[in-house]
Amino acid sequence: EVQLVESGGGLVQPGGSLRLSCAASGFTVTSNYMSWVRQAPGKGLEWVSILYSGGSTYYADSVKGRFTISRDNSKNTLYLQMNSLRAEDTAVYYCARARPSSGGGDSFDYWGQGTLVTVSS
Amino acid sequence: SYVLTQPPSVSVAPGKTARITCGGNNIGSKSVHWYQQKPGQAPVLVVYDDSDRPSGIPERFSGSNSGNTATLTISRVEAGDEADYYCQVWDSSSDHYVFGTGTKVTVL
Repeated sequence: EVQLVESGGGLVQPGGSLRLSCAASGFTVTSNYMSWVRQAPGKGLEWVSILYSGGSTYYADSVKGRFTISRDNSKNTLYLQMNSLRAEDTAVYYCARARPSSGGGDSFDYWGQGTLVTVSS
Repeated sequence: SYVLTQPPSVSVAPGKTARITCGGNNIGSKSVHWYQQKPGQAPVLVVYDDSDRPSGIPERFSGSNSGNTATLTISRVEAGDEADYYCQVWDSSSDHYVFGTGTKVTVL
C-alpha cells in the first residue's frame, strides 16, 4: 500500500528555517517524480516544487531561491528545506507522488495528510 | 504564467448533474487532471489525462477537454460529493505545475 507521511511542520519566526520530511512506503521515492504542494488557510492549492527521478528540480517563482527539495534514498524520504520564511508561506504542506501522463503533464496520484507550517512572530 | 480559472461555486440537487469548468488558454492541448478535496482532508485525484478515472473512483465522475475549456462532470450527484474541486495542468513553457482557483460544490 502506498503511503506518504509528512512531518516537521510547526511555528517559526519570519526569516527562520524549517525542514519538512515526507516518509514514503509502498514505492521507491528515487524511481518516481515527487512534489510538494501547499495550501494557505482557506485558500486553494499551490504547487511548490518537484524532484524528478533523474534529479532535476523545479520551483514555483514564489519560493525559488529560498526552498530546496531533496531526497534520501536510504530512508526513502523526500525533504523540503525552507529558508527565509515569510508570513505568506504559512500553509499546510502536502507531499505528493506524480503520476506520469501520456499527454506530457503529470497528475498527483498519492498525497500525504499534510503538515502545517505557521510563520509568525 | 499560465492561469486556470474555475467558478467559485456550483450548486446542484441530489441526483442531478454538476458541471465544473476550468478555463485556460488553449487548454485543449494539455492534459487536465481533477482533484476532490473535502474539509480537513488531502486532495484526491478523481480524473486524470482529461477523462480517465483512477481505480476506485465512481463512473459518475467524467471529464472532457477542448478548446479553452475543460469540464468535470459529476452525474447523479450524492451528498458525499460535496467538496472543493481543483483542475491542474503542467505548463511546459515554464516546467511549472498549475492548479485552478477551485470550485466549491454544494449539494442542495
